[in-house]
Amino acid sequence: GENVEQHPSTLSVQEGDSAVIKCTYSDSASNYFPWYKQELGKRPQLIIDIRSNVGEKKDQRIAVTLNKTAKHFSLHITETQPEDSAVYFCAASILGEGTYKYIFGTGTRLKVLA
Amino acid sequence: GAVVSQHPSWVICKSGTSVKIECRSLDFQATTMFWYRQFPKQSLMLMATSNEGSKATYEQGVEKDKFLINHASLTLSTLTVTSAHPEDSSFYICSVIMRSSYNEQFFGPGTRLTVL
Repeated sequence: GENVEQHPSTLSVQEGDSAVIKCTYSDSASNYFPWYKQELGKRPQLIIDIRSNVGEKKDQRIAVTLNKTAKHFSLHITETQPEDSAVYFCAASILGEGTYKYIFGTGTRLKVLA
Repeated sequence: GAVVSQHPSWVICKSGTSVKIECRSLDFQATTMFWYRQFPKQSLMLMATSNEGSKATYEQGVEKDKFLINHASLTLSTLTVTSAHPEDSSFYICSVIMRSSYNEQFFGPGTRLTVL
């Protein structure tokens, strides 16, 4: 079945530095790749997403890149701030039995040090 | 986007009891809802896909007789954890997908289940 690997599991950066989180997926038919931010005890929040017909997307300090050939996609956060500290999950959507479903990566705990 | 609610937000029960969790899509009709389970410091694991008017599709390793899913209307899906045990303690989250929004997923606020 589909598998999504995510690295690193933890990441500490100084405020103002950049953070990069990487994911790989196994199902070449996956066509939608969202990234979520989750704070403790809360629901995941979509922060950015990318579709398979696009190689890069940017939204202010957040960007996502996709390499379909290598089945890699990455999240880039620039000028990190303490409020960026949270757990980040990548996901890949696959078509299963008539509807799309989502497989999540294992998560990255980001700490931004002031 | 879609507004999704869950009830209850948290529940504590004794081992052996059954617990029902409701997931409601408040502002649009959801033919498909998903149920996830998240253990502390772990990722979201898809348990099942809930289809309105038909049987749920369970992921490998999820016991369908233990986690009963009913999607009786386009706005409500329920997950019943039958004969709950301490190892079922987890954060249960539902979501809906909005096909008109390229299959973007909208999550409920989650239900924290603690089984004593």
